[in-house]
Amino acid sequence: GAVVSQHPSRVICKSGTSVKIECRSLDFQATTMFWYRQFPKQSLMLMATSNEGSKATYEQGVEKDKFLINHASLTLSTLTVTSAHPEDSSFYICSGMANTGAPTDTQYFGPGTRLTVL
Amino acid sequence: AQSVTQPDIHITVSEGASLELRCNYSYGATPYLFWYVQSPGQGLQLLLKYFSGDTLVQGIKGFEAEFKRSQSSFNLRKPSVHWSDAAEYFCAVGPASNTGKLIFGQGTTLQVKP
Repeated sequence: GAVVSQHPSRVICKSGTSVKIECRSLDFQATTMFWYRQFPKQSLMLMATSNEGSKATYEQGVEKDKFLINHASLTLSTLTVTSAHPEDSSFYICSGMANTGAPTDTQYFGPGTRLTVL
Repeated sequence: AQSVTQPDIHITVSEGASLELRCNYSYGATPYLFWYVQSPGQGLQLLLKYFSGDTLVQGIKGFEAEFKRSQSSFNLRKPSVHWSDAAEYFCAVGPASNTGKLIFGQGTTLQVKP
């Protein structure tokens, strides 16, 4: 199956700093990428959807100025957590999909990035 | 409200035993239904999905799931569990338009006893 990578896998930062997480589709063109957040022992919550070359669409309750998403190419999307605080500590997961609108379109998930804000 | 419920947070089965993981959903429109597996250090892997047709869906690794519209359920089954099946399992629902916007259940952790 298609592969999505994330970098870094783990990051620890100080409160008030910004952190950038990269999501790459390695062997397919991801016209749409998704960013999720997963709290311990809880479900994945969709944060935002981004289409290549367009502004991201954020889910209700997600601060777009806090979580900056860029999807500048068909293989790369980045999530920047700005002015991070301890409550932003979480597991962030991205996924990519070659969105043709067909039922067979499948999301491929990255391995996730563990963010710890001290 | 749209939601997915996985009633069992944690399940332990013996290797070789059968497995059923439950999933119930609440969705206003015709849904697409998915089961994913998450292993430590790896991304979620799609086991199977249902969007139309035969309500019994076959997936990878010997898994299958049955869509029961009347019960709003999409339970995952495997006749004989292997130790390598130990992982976190997520049920998810998405719109029939397949925009990719998925709603996930809380997950079920499967432990396999030797």
